[in-house]
Amino acid sequence: EAQVTQNPRYLITVTGKKLTVTCSQNMNHEYMSWYRQDPGLGLRQIYYSMNVEVTDKGDVPEGYKVSRKEKRNFPLILESPSPNQTSLYFCASSPQIGTSGTLTEQFFGPGTRLTVL
Amino acid sequence: AQTVTQSQPEMSVQEAETVTLSCTYDTSESDYYLFWYKQPPSRQMILVIRQEAYKQQNATENRFSVNFQKAAKSFSLKISDSQLGDAAMYFCAYRRGSGTYKYIFGTGTRLKVLA
Repeated sequence: EAQVTQNPRYLITVTGKKLTVTCSQNMNHEYMSWYRQDPGLGLRQIYYSMNVEVTDKGDVPEGYKVSRKEKRNFPLILESPSPNQTSLYFCASSPQIGTSGTLTEQFFGPGTRLTVL
Repeated sequence: AQTVTQSQPEMSVQEAETVTLSCTYDTSESDYYLFWYKQPPSRQMILVIRQEAYKQQNATENRFSVNFQKAAKSFSLKISDSQLGDAAMYFCAYRRGSGTYKYIFGTGTRLKVLA
């Protein structure tokens, strides 16, 4: 089954304790991205990657790190989490735009609910 | 910088009626894509419909259609024959056409469907 998986789905942690949220896709997609969702703010893009070893900042990258060493994986790292990073996090993937300019849809993972105390 | 604005935090519609959700955006690009996503209580993000800016024809998907006004930078979603399963958060999103995977989402509209 084609899917984007995230782990863990729920996490409660304390300020300053490093954590990693994993994201994996089995569709051989070039593009991957991380978003956070907060009430009243919608989804905001944290980082995205257009291929292995190619990453770029979204709108809210502060406090986060990412790496893309393999095509299928795109982990999100919080080196020193703070309470303002309490949020719902989504990973997503997408194939690159086709030669005809056709854009296929973005596939989302199920979300990770993170609470930082 | 590009922005996406959804000015209706919440909307209600009677079952079987039609509702229109508003979205406006701002960009200086000529090549871009627009999307509507649905997020039911399960939190799963589901693509409802997409529109390529270079296409003049409005996109339709069954009961869902858009009114794409490029000059006005408006991209509204019309849901016809509303069903209880349509109740969800709806997000409008923008993506530049090439060279990036950067998305801009609106703040969302919560749609309630009344039986």
